[in-house]
Amino acid sequence: GENVEQHPSTLSVQEGDSAVIKCTYSDSASNYFPWYKQELGKRPQLIIDIRSNVGEKKDQRIAVTLNKTAKHFSLHITETQPEDSAVYFCAAYNYGQNFVFGPGTRLSVLP
Amino acid sequence: DTEVTQTPKHLVMGMTNKKSLKCEQHMGHRAMYWYKQKAKKPPELMFVYSYEKLSINESVPSRFSPECPNSSLLNLHLHALQPEDSALYLCASSQEELGLAEYEQYFGPGTRLTVT
Repeated sequence: GENVEQHPSTLSVQEGDSAVIKCTYSDSASNYFPWYKQELGKRPQLIIDIRSNVGEKKDQRIAVTLNKTAKHFSLHITETQPEDSAVYFCAAYNYGQNFVFGPGTRLSVLP
Repeated sequence: DTEVTQTPKHLVMGMTNKKSLKCEQHMGHRAMYWYKQKAKKPPELMFVYSYEKLSINESVPSRFSPECPNSSLLNLHLHALQPEDSALYLCASSQEELGLAEYEQYFGPGTRLTVT
């Protein structure tokens, strides 16, 4: 089955700096890679996603890159703000088979 | 309306009880999902329904029984649970099953279940 690793487990950055979170997956058949943000006591919310036929996607301060050959994908947040503080989960979806989340990264943006 | 609702918000049940969790969406989504999330852990997929048919069952114990009575409703029937089943149970929905296209998955607020 699929296995998703995520690094780092915790990340502290100064407000205005960039944050990068990396994930690797094991199942080459996985074709959809979303990123979720979960604030304490709240539901996960999709912040950006990418499909296996695309190498990069950007939405304002957030970008995701995918390297299918190496089976890894990364989340980039620029100009971080205190409200970006949360737990971020990457995930890998293999249609009809499985959907596995990474263990999460706790991001703290220090004012 | 981009909301997934779940009832109840909290549930405490004994190991011999039978209870049900309910999830509802009125966005016309054809895929619905159940997840289990323990504290400080990622959500774990339990079941996926696509067009009211079970698409994925992640080897969940039979004490958890899903039901999709129509395209807007998803239930999770609970029976003879163990204390280690205590967790936040999240429901989600998407236009079509993830992986088919770039459909966003919307999560409900969850039901916090405690098994005593």
